Amino acid sequence: AQTVTQSQPEMSVQEAETVTLSCTYDTSESDYYLFWYKQPPSRQMILVIRQEAYKQQNATENRFSVNFQKAAKSFSLKISDSQLGDAAMYFCAYRSAYGYGGSQGNLIFGKGTKLSVKP
Amino acid sequence: DGGITQSPKYLFRKEGQNVTLSCEQNLNHDAMYWYRQDPGQGLRLIYYSQIVNDFQKGDIAEGYSVSREKKESFPLTVTSAQKNPTAFYLCASSIGWDTQYFGPGTRLTVL
Repeated sequence: AQTVTQSQPEMSVQEAETVTLSCTYDTSESDYYLFWYKQPPSRQMILVIRQEAYKQQNATENRFSVNFQKAAKSFSLKISDSQLGDAAMYFCAYRSAYGYGGSQGNLIFGKGTKLSVKP
Repeated sequence: DGGITQSPKYLFRKEGQNVTLSCEQNLNHDAMYWYRQDPGQGLRLIYYSQIVNDFQKGDIAEGYSVSREKKESFPLTVTSAQKNPTAFYLCASSIGWDTQYFGPGTRLTVL
């Protein structure tokens, strides 16, 4: 079974600085998708960025970018020019590209990293 | 505005009661999902549905039931058989197996 591990329960960054959140995963599959979701105090899960495993190029979305290392099974999120609104829980998630019993679309989540942004 | 709505935002249940959480989407998504979130934990899948009138159990389906009579709606019933229902519940939807988008959630508390 696939697992997702976020080893940093909490992180802190100064406003306007850069911070990197770590995520590792375990899978025997070769094709899959990886996601970072943000959960602010309102608790709604918001998609930050998505990466397809077959793409070597790292995904970027404005100030958010990933470092995807497939061989190392690592998927870190870099937030540049941190803003106060970036303060939230961040969840890394894995989704298989294959269907087993109809479970292809199911997301497997890590336990999250709480990011604080200091003014 | 297209999106996913969940109601109510807060729900209180007495011991032994069944309660139903609502999830509606107007994104024309085929698939819908229910997740449970406990403090300090990621999300765990309760049920999912890829098409109308069909749904599958997720990792923690015991004590829950769902229906999918309409494409837009996927209500979740928390039954009295669920021993520890106090949690935050999130509904999501997607086009097929593509990226999932989430609703604002319902906080359920057992009194």
